[in-house]
Amino acid sequence: QVHLVESGGGVVQPGRSLRLSCAASGFTFRNYAMHWVRQAPGEGLEWVADISFDGGNKFYADSVKGRFTISRDNSKNTLHLEMNSLTVEDTAIYYCSKGHGVAVAHLDFWGQGTLVTVSS
Amino acid sequence: QSVLTQPPSVSAAQRQKVTISCSGSRSNIGSNFVSWFQQFPGTAPKLLIYDSDKRSSGIPDRFSGSKSGTSATLGITGLQTGDEAKYFCAAWDSSLNVVVFGGGTELTVL
Repeated sequence: QVHLVESGGGVVQPGRSLRLSCAASGFTFRNYAMHWVRQAPGEGLEWVADISFDGGNKFYADSVKGRFTISRDNSKNTLHLEMNSLTVEDTAIYYCSKGHGVAVAHLDFWGQGTLVTVSS
Repeated sequence: QSVLTQPPSVSAAQRQKVTISCSGSRSNIGSNFVSWFQQFPGTAPKLLIYDSDKRSSGIPDRFSGSKSGTSATLGITGLQTGDEAKYFCAAWDSSLNVVVFGGGTELTVL
């Protein structure tokens, strides 16, 4: 069965960087687009970024464009999110999700999330 | 302020039916498929409906989705207390080039 496990979250000061990872199993990772979605405490869902099956296409939310970079390693079945210049507004649970392509909202499996807290 | 608009809360009695609306625009719901997600407190969202009206694997047929113009609707029949959760709609926005979510609707089963 599909299994997505995020890691790399923690407490970080404003302006610093953090790298999240998502280990995937139970499906052919290299065949599917992947997404990051975040949820601030007590708030709704906010899509962050996605990457095509081969890494050739990437899209970002305006709120993270230029600061976050999504990438993947198909040889290791792993998705990454490099987050730079973090602000308190980036505090959230970050979920990775398996998608049926980029530019779609068809996210059929989600990990349990990793909490990122940006605080001085 | 979410791009897709959902009512903050809805309620209905057990065994009754409820609908949750999701209103958008031509660039999102009007031209792309809609997905619906269910989220219980402290857990990850779960896909219920994709491509506007298709149930995800394992989702009972009490759950249904529809779309008309720039609005979408999630229907749940035979309500159970276990359906109490927050429900989110989502769609790709072809103008913004992002996935947009609704703000979520809290369902209470009386």
